[in-house]
Amino acid sequence: EDQVTQSPEALRLQEGESSSLNCSYTVSGLRGLFWYRQDPGKGPEFLFTLYSAGEEKEKERLKATLTKKESFLHITAPKPEDSATYLCAVQNAGNNRKLIWGLGTSLAVNP
Amino acid sequence: EAGVTQFPSHSVIEKGQTVTLRCDPISGHDNLYWYRRVMGKEIKFLLHFVKESKQDESGMPNNRFLAERTGGTYSTLKVQPAELEDSGVYFCASSLDLDTGELFFGEGSRLTVL
Repeated sequence: EDQVTQSPEALRLQEGESSSLNCSYTVSGLRGLFWYRQDPGKGPEFLFTLYSAGEEKEKERLKATLTKKESFLHITAPKPEDSATYLCAVQNAGNNRKLIWGLGTSLAVNP
Repeated sequence: EAGVTQFPSHSVIEKGQTVTLRCDPISGHDNLYWYRRVMGKEIKFLLHFVKESKQDESGMPNNRFLAERTGGTYSTLKVQPAELEDSGVYFCASSLDLDTGELFFGEGSRLTVL
């Protein structure tokens, strides 16, 4: 069964303190792995798509990487506005297009 | 350009009653998805429309849930009769391309069944 596990569940950082979030997955053929950000009371907001092991994507202070078993979201010198829940999802290579989601990592960045 | 809009933002109903949730996708997006998040659980897929056709409804919990997409534009998700376990946040998302995982989500409709 396709599954996504994210760790840690929650993370508190000081402004400027870099860290990484983990997303481990098992899927019957990976079509893509996706990172989303969700703010309280809002829907998820797309960040990155990764398709194959070794691929990396960057956006401002965020960098996502992918291996055959997991993905990392690296946050460099975070700011308070980076506080949010970060969600990881995968799409398998079958005929359907549904996303399978992890529970997310709740990130709080203190000024 | 307007994003994905959902209505209502919050609904509180009694067990056994009926609720209809509405989603207006981004104009021109043929792909429309419904997802649900129950408290403490991960977001779960419900179904996927391509235009007015149900492409995949494998995530619909049971026959108390009925989704429609009139003319390939807005979509409704009706729960009848509602049960306590139906409580959660129902998200609608849309996308232009079938093969993309870049979905545009609405803010969700929170359903509370008492």
